[in-house]
Amino acid sequence: DAGVIQSPRHEVTEMGQEVTLRCKPISGHDYLFWYRQTMMRGLELLIYFNNNVPIDDSGMPEDRFSAKMPNASFSTLKIQPSEPRDSAVYFCASSLAARNTGELFFGEGSRLTVL
Amino acid sequence: AQKVTQAQTEISVVEKEDVTLDCVYETRDTTYYLFWYKQPPSGELVFLIRRNSFDEQNEISGRYSWNFQKSTSSFNFTITASQVVDSAVYFCALSEAQGGSSNTGKLIFGQGTTLQVKP
Repeated sequence: DAGVIQSPRHEVTEMGQEVTLRCKPISGHDYLFWYRQTMMRGLELLIYFNNNVPIDDSGMPEDRFSAKMPNASFSTLKIQPSEPRDSAVYFCASSLAARNTGELFFGEGSRLTVL
Repeated sequence: AQKVTQAQTEISVVEKEDVTLDCVYETRDTTYYLFWYKQPPSGELVFLIRRNSFDEQNEISGRYSWNFQKSTSSFNFTITASQVVDSAVYFCALSEAQGGSSNTGKLIFGQGTTLQVKP
């Protein structure tokens, strides 16, 4: 079975540009999470969806960040405009509530560098 | 409030030594889940173990073992006879059950402990 797929793996952009990160969760999983990892703040939950509906976006840093999940197999995290402090590794993860294990399956991450 | 504390930022050991990674958590819920994840140098996050709050049995898996003690709110992880391939960042995480017993997988992570195993 394919795992969680994220793209791009690496993105280098200039301040002010729009960045879109993409995620394909594991087929059949009903929860999708976006995490951000930085040296200073560690792993932070940004937002999560259940059955494509955003449940908790309290971790989204500010209005420059937005996330969508138009269908069960695709999600995007958009930053507009990007700033150097957004540089981080962004992880997407999915889980299946019915298994009731709470285990998250993570993608390989998207490393974003904003110059 | 939920919180996970991994007080050890970095640990360095020599191969074959035993090493214990500490994890202390805070939660007001009676039903919760604890996890350990490994992040090797390649960057991905790998699930190692899950424990629910009703199961305080310690667990052993090969060279890995976990000690869960509710009385001290700790969930420590021991690697026996460490190997160079164990070098990684290890994260402890907490998830609270929502809607009763349902576990959504919303995890709160500790800051991580970087383990370096030298040959």
